[in-house]
Amino acid sequence: EAGVAQSPRYKIIEKRQSVAFWCNPISGHATLYWYQQILGQGPKLLIQFQNNGVVDDSQLPKDRFSAERLKGVDSTLKIQPAKLEDSAVYLCASSFQGAGVYRNEQFFGPGTRLTVL
Amino acid sequence: AQSVTQLDSQVPVFEEAPVELRCNYSSSVSVYLFWYVQYPNQGLQLLLKYLSGSTLVKGINGFEAEFNKSQTSFHLRKPSVHISDTAEYFCAGYQGGSEKLVFGKGTKLTVNP
Repeated sequence: EAGVAQSPRYKIIEKRQSVAFWCNPISGHATLYWYQQILGQGPKLLIQFQNNGVVDDSQLPKDRFSAERLKGVDSTLKIQPAKLEDSAVYLCASSFQGAGVYRNEQFFGPGTRLTVL
Repeated sequence: AQSVTQLDSQVPVFEEAPVELRCNYSSSVSVYLFWYVQYPNQGLQLLLKYLSGSTLVKGINGFEAEFNKSQTSFHLRKPSVHISDTAEYFCAGYQGGSEKLVFGKGTKLTVNP
């Protein structure tokens, strides 16, 4: 079974530029998550999708971050414009059962390491 | 207040020695608890999880954890570590009443020969 795919693996941009990350979850997984992992910290949930609907985006900085999951499969996370403090690893995860079931195991992709100069 | 606290940011240990990585959770976190491992430049991999039942949970790679409700702890243990166990370990739990998984800050385990 193929895992969660993410691209690119690394990205270096200058502040005020835009950047987009792509995630392809495990086939059949209805729930998709985007996390931000700043160096020295644990991952922090940015947004959770159930199929193509948003379940939780309370920690997404909506003035600069946006995410979509068209057709309930692939997802894109965008930052526009980027700030220095956005430097982090962005992790995508997916799980099989829908929102409301605590026992879901989340499967993580390798992440995209973003450096903002 | 932090929901999941990992008490040690770094733990150095010699190969074949036992290790314990400590995790405490607050009352704002449900008792569905997880340990994940992150190898360099990789995503997170689930080591083990506690949902209910026996308080001693066995996971992959010889790791186990014990859920202790009175101490609000979920410490991770391995009786004999290998060089290949060098990685960062994260404790996590679901925030009460939500689907949100909250993570501790991580413990970097370094196994030396």
